[in-house]
Amino acid sequence: AQSVAQPEDQVNVAEGNPLTVKCTYSVSGNPYLFWYVQYPNRGLQFLLKYITGDNLVKGSYGFEAEFNKSQTSFHLKKPSALVSDSALYFCAVRTYYGNNRLAFGKGNQVVVIP
Amino acid sequence: IAGITQAPTSQILAAGRRMTLRCTQDMRHNAMYWYRQDLGLGLRLIHYSNTAGTTGKGEVPDGYSVSRANTDDFPLTLASAVPSQTPVYFCASSDSDRNTEAFFGQGTRLTVV
Repeated sequence: AQSVAQPEDQVNVAEGNPLTVKCTYSVSGNPYLFWYVQYPNRGLQFLLKYITGDNLVKGSYGFEAEFNKSQTSFHLKKPSALVSDSALYFCAVRTYYGNNRLAFGKGNQVVVIP
Repeated sequence: IAGITQAPTSQILAAGRRMTLRCTQDMRHNAMYWYRQDLGLGLRLIHYSNTAGTTGKGEVPDGYSVSRANTDDFPLTLASAVPSQTPVYFCASSDSDRNTEAFFGQGTRLTVV
């Protein structure tokens, strides 16, 4: 079964500094990888995905992520964090072997300090 | 309707009562999912459906049942509500054949008393 690990509970970063949120995954076969963001009392909003092709994918709000197959990682990055980026971030993985189960990590709280 | 809609958005329920959470999507997505979000535990999959007429168990299916009579609707039923069933519930859908991302509803906040 597929699984996702987001090792840090909370990521603190100063406004203007680079932001990185870590994600590693475990699947059988090729992974389909996703990042979502959740603001307080809201549903999840899609940021970006890796399906195939270029390992560096760019998404909404200036975020990007790099797929690294050898390290089974898909870290989310933003070159310059904004206070408005403070939210809960989720990594998710899916593979298709007779089912479409989409597995999420436990999430990382990002706090951008003004 | 545009996207995916959950109802109700919040509910207070007496322990032992039966409750059905509704989820409807208008995107003709084949796959649908129900997740529960508990503080510190992230999102855990309760049940999922690859296509109309089929369902499967996720990580935490006990105490819940689902049905998928058609493409658009994927209701989740709590047979007998217990206080541990008080997370936020999220429904989602995706077009897995086209590898689209999952689209989420706004969530249902359930309080069992």
